[in-house]
Amino acid sequence: ILNVEQSPQSLHVQEGDSTNFTCSFPSSNFYALHWYRWETAKSPEALFVMTLNGDEKKKGRISATLNTKEGYSYLYIKGSQPEDSATYLCAYQDSGTYKYIFGTGTRLKVLA
Amino acid sequence: ETGVTQSPTHLIKTRGQQVTLRCSSQSGHNTVSWYQQALGQGPQFIFQYYREEENGRGNFPPRFSGLQFPNYSSELNVNALELDDSALYLCASRSGGDSTDTQYFGPGTRLTVL
Repeated sequence: ILNVEQSPQSLHVQEGDSTNFTCSFPSSNFYALHWYRWETAKSPEALFVMTLNGDEKKKGRISATLNTKEGYSYLYIKGSQPEDSATYLCAYQDSGTYKYIFGTGTRLKVLA
Repeated sequence: ETGVTQSPTHLIKTRGQQVTLRCSSQSGHNTVSWYQQALGQGPQFIFQYYREEENGRGNFPPRFSGLQFPNYSSELNVNALELDDSALYLCASRSGGDSTDTQYFGPGTRLTVL
């Protein structure tokens, strides 16, 4: 059974704080790692697709890193804003089946 | 907006009934995946369709079945509904059967089984 774990489950930060959370995944049969941002009552929104060990991606104040050898990815948010409040999901894509295996998400609340 | 639509938005059924959920893919996307998200869980992969053929399945019983049509829209059918089938059902479309291309999700159908 392939497990993808995210931590923390939830966190509250003050506006302006920087924050980061972790996605752990199997280091074998790695194909890709996907990050999604999911606001309540909306569709999950794709943030990044990462495929290479050492990859770093950036989109505005959000960035992500990837370590496929040890099986983890970090998502960073710099200077959090209330509109960043959402659930952040990661999904591991397996090279054998190409299926997406999602973590349970990190629920972020940014307080004004 | 992702261009992926799902219907209905909400649905209430009773145990033993059958349900059909629908998904319209983003234009140009030939691959559709369905996911079940139960409370407190991440989305769980049900199955994937590529050019009208099922080409991947998660750990769901046969009473979960699907179809993909020539226009790449898709249906998820669930027979003999159980209480545990209550969940948010998401579909996602992308181009290419086996690739890292981004999946685009619909807003989901909330199914409640009483």
